[in-house]
Amino acid sequence: KQEVTQIPAALSVPEGENLVLNCSFTDSAIYNLQWFRQDPGKGLTSLLLIQSSQREQTSGRLNASLDKSSGRSTLYIAASQPGDSATYLCGSTNQGAQKLVFGQGTRLTINP
Amino acid sequence: GAVVSQHPSWVICKSGTSVKIECRSLDFQATTMFWYRQFPKQSLMLMATSNEGSKATYEQGVEKDKFLINHASLTLSTLTVTSAHPEDSSFYICSARTSGNTEAFFGQGTRLTVV
Repeated sequence: KQEVTQIPAALSVPEGENLVLNCSFTDSAIYNLQWFRQDPGKGLTSLLLIQSSQREQTSGRLNASLDKSSGRSTLYIAASQPGDSATYLCGSTNQGAQKLVFGQGTRLTINP
Repeated sequence: GAVVSQHPSWVICKSGTSVKIECRSLDFQATTMFWYRQFPKQSLMLMATSNEGSKATYEQGVEKDKFLINHASLTLSTLTVTSAHPEDSSFYICSARTSGNTEAFFGQGTRLTVV
């Protein structure tokens, strides 16, 4: 059974800093891994999707990496802004399955 | 990205009544849809997976007679909370994807309050 863990649970940094959010998973037989952001009281917005054959994906100031052998993914945010404040969730889809297994999320606060 | 529309955004109902929540994929055909429940400051808890034209597969501990899921078309799934009680108050979110290994897209969520 896949288990996904996100550390830290909360992170607070000054505006402008680069930061890394971590996601680890126990079963490396995944189809893909997806990063989301969730604003309070809202649904999830997909940020990046990494297929199992890929090592990283980039979108603007965001870069996500995937290392299946170590069961880890990271989300790198460059030049953080107050608008980046949200909860970030990672979710993996295992081979042969349809559902996403989520971590508990990292609550990010960017201080002006 | 693709758009998943969920309605209503919030609903208040009386205890004992039923509430229906709709989830629509606006610009793609969703072979598979998912329903989640989220408690305050917690991650998403998967309730059930539904494939178009088939019965939903419920996660362990989720009462299928209480949470009725219908996925009658490739663009619409509904969740009906039957005989709602205050403990059913929660944030419900749907998700859709074209197949198991493609990107998942989420609705904006429905805040259900049972009084």
